[in-house]
Amino acid sequence: GAVVSQHPSWVICKSGTSVKIECRSLDFQATTMFWYRQFPKQSLMLMATSNEGSKATYEQGVEKDKFLINHASLTLSTLTVTSAHPEDSSFYICSAREGQGTSQPQHFGDGTRLSIL
Amino acid sequence: DAKTTQPTSMDCAEGRAANLPCNHSTISGNEYVYWYRQIHSQGPQYIIHGLKNNETNEMASLIITEDRKSSTLILPHATLRDTAVYYCSSGGSNYKLTFGKGTLLTVNP
Repeated sequence: GAVVSQHPSWVICKSGTSVKIECRSLDFQATTMFWYRQFPKQSLMLMATSNEGSKATYEQGVEKDKFLINHASLTLSTLTVTSAHPEDSSFYICSAREGQGTSQPQHFGDGTRLSIL
Repeated sequence: DAKTTQPTSMDCAEGRAANLPCNHSTISGNEYVYWYRQIHSQGPQYIIHGLKNNETNEMASLIITEDRKSSTLILPHATLRDTAVYYCSSGGSNYKLTFGKGTLLTVNP
């Protein structure tokens, strides 16, 4: 159980393109999802917390107009990288929490490798 | 969110127990300790979590000190497929996790 699916796995696109990444909880409902970014040989950096039916909460230094997050249902959150540039190239990973309890762990998708040419 | 400190790397022989330490001296009373691992180019995999008591599941055991300032993840019989970066994190009511640099565990044949 507790499977999180992320799509696409990798994407290559031209500079200036907007890219949408989907994160789905397959066998549970997730009121809270998280988006992380990971650069090579570095740790995961939390970008934003996505709450179903409300606006996402962004971490300091993350541009909300650059990284649009939508969490329209209990099983789907999307991250759109708008007008992507080469410096946005990274490994983007989502996670979802199962249930409401404080202790419930986050379960992660397999990530999306984004390369902007 | 509490800051965690882990050794950069560790080696372990295949079949032996791997003991991965983590310091979380600033952890607050209601924050859980979570362990994840990440194999190259994949998303992190949840391993185990705990608050105060020691925990065991099919993957590992988690030993938390009485003062909760540190913990140890134990893989009882390490295999080559356990080679990964292991992250210790803590989280509380805001559900957010902060990841440090983690420990690269290399299991050697």
